[in-house]
Amino acid sequence: EDKVVQSPLSLVVHEGDTVTLNCSYEVTNFRSLLWYKQEKKAPTFLFMLTSSGIEKKSGRLSSILDKKELFSILNITATQTGDSAVYLCAVAETSGSRLTFGEGTQLTVNP
Amino acid sequence: NAGVTQTPKFRILKIGQSMTLQCTQDMNHNYMYWYRQDPGMGLKLIYYSVGAGITDKGEVPNGYNVSRSTTEDFPLRLELAAPSQTSVYFCASRHTNYGYTFGSGTRLTVV
Repeated sequence: EDKVVQSPLSLVVHEGDTVTLNCSYEVTNFRSLLWYKQEKKAPTFLFMLTSSGIEKKSGRLSSILDKKELFSILNITATQTGDSAVYLCAVAETSGSRLTFGEGTQLTVNP
Repeated sequence: NAGVTQTPKFRILKIGQSMTLQCTQDMNHNYMYWYRQDPGMGLKLIYYSVGAGITDKGEVPNGYNVSRSTTEDFPLRLELAAPSQTSVYFCASRHTNYGYTFGSGTRLTVV
């Protein structure tokens, strides 16, 4: 059974801190790993990673995948209160027919 | 281009009642999905469809039914609502080689 595990489940930091969110996975036929940010409503897409060692970057957010260790991290530098959200990691199989989600990391950034 | 549209946004059902959650997309996506998200949890796949006329079960299909008579529409049916079905339901769609687009969700409470 495919499995995605995120850690920590909850994190509270102060504005300006840097955070690292972790995602490990066990998937039979790996195709890609996706990161989403979820505030009050639907998840919004952040990154899709398919290759090991290539960092994807968007502003203060960056992510990298290690397909040997079956692991990805999401980094957020100089955090802001607007970064407070649940960050979801999901893995897609090669068939592309489904995503398996982790439980998410609840990030709270205090002023 | 509306993306993925879900209706209703909120609903309260009594135990044993039935209802249909509507989902439609205007992006001509092949793949469509229904997920449920319980408080503090990640998304769990209920049903998915790889094209019109084709549906398949996900992780948690019990108590639900779907149909896909057209590319655009993928309704989710609850026949006999139970308190365990209290959740937020997300519909999503995907083109073959691209990322997922989520609807804004339906918050369902069964009392």
